[in-house]
Amino acid sequence: KAGVTQTPRYLIKTRGQQVTLSCSPISGHRSVSWYQQTPGQGLQFLFEYFSETQRNKGNFPGRFSGRQFSNSRSEMNVSTLELGDSALYLCASSPDLANTGELFFGEGSRLTVL
Amino acid sequence: AQKITQTQPGMFVQEKEAVTLDCTYDTSDPSYGLFWYKQPSSGEMIFLIYQGSYDQQNATEGRYSLNFQKARKSANLVISASQLGDSAMYFCAMRDDNNDMRFGAGTRLTVKP
Repeated sequence: KAGVTQTPRYLIKTRGQQVTLSCSPISGHRSVSWYQQTPGQGLQFLFEYFSETQRNKGNFPGRFSGRQFSNSRSEMNVSTLELGDSALYLCASSPDLANTGELFFGEGSRLTVL
Repeated sequence: AQKITQTQPGMFVQEKEAVTLDCTYDTSDPSYGLFWYKQPSSGEMIFLIYQGSYDQQNATEGRYSLNFQKARKSANLVISASQLGDSAMYFCAMRDDNNDMRFGAGTRLTVKP
């Protein structure tokens, strides 16, 4: 069974540009969550999607957005990039929303903003 | 709002000894799950162990055990017989009725030979 796949793995952008990151969850998983990880920080929750609906959103500006498609694949977009957006963006999936279920993580997309 | 606290930014342990990584949490929901993840330098997040709020016994998975003290809202990870490969960042996390999983700031564990 394939794991969570994130693309691209690495990317470099300049300030003011926008970026779209993609996440394909494990087959059959309907919940997808996104996290931002920066040096010295823990994992900061961005948003969670389930059945194409955003269920929760973390404390991030409106420049950060996402969506989920009918096949459970998810994308997140960051517009008007700032230097502080440089981070490892992790996507995780789970079969459902039960609080007994662990999240399965992808390897992440490492974004560098110059 | 959920809150996960890991008070130890870094910990050292001698190979083959046991180590305890601290985690406290805060939630008003009666039903929640507690998780520990390991993140090696390669970056992937590896699930280690789970404890449910209604579980009567502490969870164990091989060399990992979770010291769950519900009244104190504490969920410490105990690693027995430390190995060099245990050197990594360790994150405590909670998932409650709000469903999304929140993480603590992490503890960097270094195992000394």
